[in-house]
Amino acid sequence: QVQLVQSGVEVKKPGASVKVSCKASGYTFTSYGVSWVRQAPGQGLEWMGWISGYNGDTKHAQKFQDRVTLTTDRSTGTTYMELRGLRSDDTAVYYCAREVLLSSAMDVWGRGTTVIVSS
Amino acid sequence: EILLTQSPGTLSLSPGERATLSCWSSQSLSGGYLAWYQQKPGQAPRLLIYGTSRRATGIPDKFSGSGSGTDFTLTISSLEPEDFAVYYCQQYGDSPQTFGQGTKVEIK
Repeated sequence: QVQLVQSGVEVKKPGASVKVSCKASGYTFTSYGVSWVRQAPGQGLEWMGWISGYNGDTKHAQKFQDRVTLTTDRSTGTTYMELRGLRSDDTAVYYCAREVLLSSAMDVWGRGTTVIVSS
Repeated sequence: EILLTQSPGTLSLSPGERATLSCWSSQSLSGGYLAWYQQKPGQAPRLLIYGTSRRATGIPDKFSGSGSGTDFTLTISSLEPEDFAVYYCQQYGDSPQTFGQGTKVEIK
């Protein structure tokens, strides 16, 4: 069964960093990449970036270029998204999704990780 | 950055009716890299359509996608209770990938 399992709820103070994990199973990790998408409360979907499971190449939305780091651990099939300099408007659900670029879009999604930024 | 605009914002229909959702792109999507997702409250999005018109694995044929260039459509042939949700279009051919603002399909 193909699935992405994400880490749990995070509560952080403004200015802190958060690192969310996304563990893949049921497929060949190196044959796919992973995109990260966030959704603020009551809002739409926002793409943050993508990382290759094969060689770690990344693409980022310019908005997040300076604050987001995407990494992978091929030995465990886990992808990580670190967001630095947290602000209250970073409060959102963060999703990882399996994706091969220019192919079949984001076909498998994790359940999401809620990140709350509050003083 | 490619801007996607969805219309209408809310669609009020009854079960059994046909739903037609529109998505307009600020630039032509060469390659037809346009996808549609369904999202229910408290759940992750689910891929319905990719490549403008290809149904994702396990998606019933009541969902169909069409369009080209800058104009795209998702059609649900006959609404069932489980189809009432928010639908997003997304372009994934250009970086950054972008989503439309969503269309809510609600029960009339």
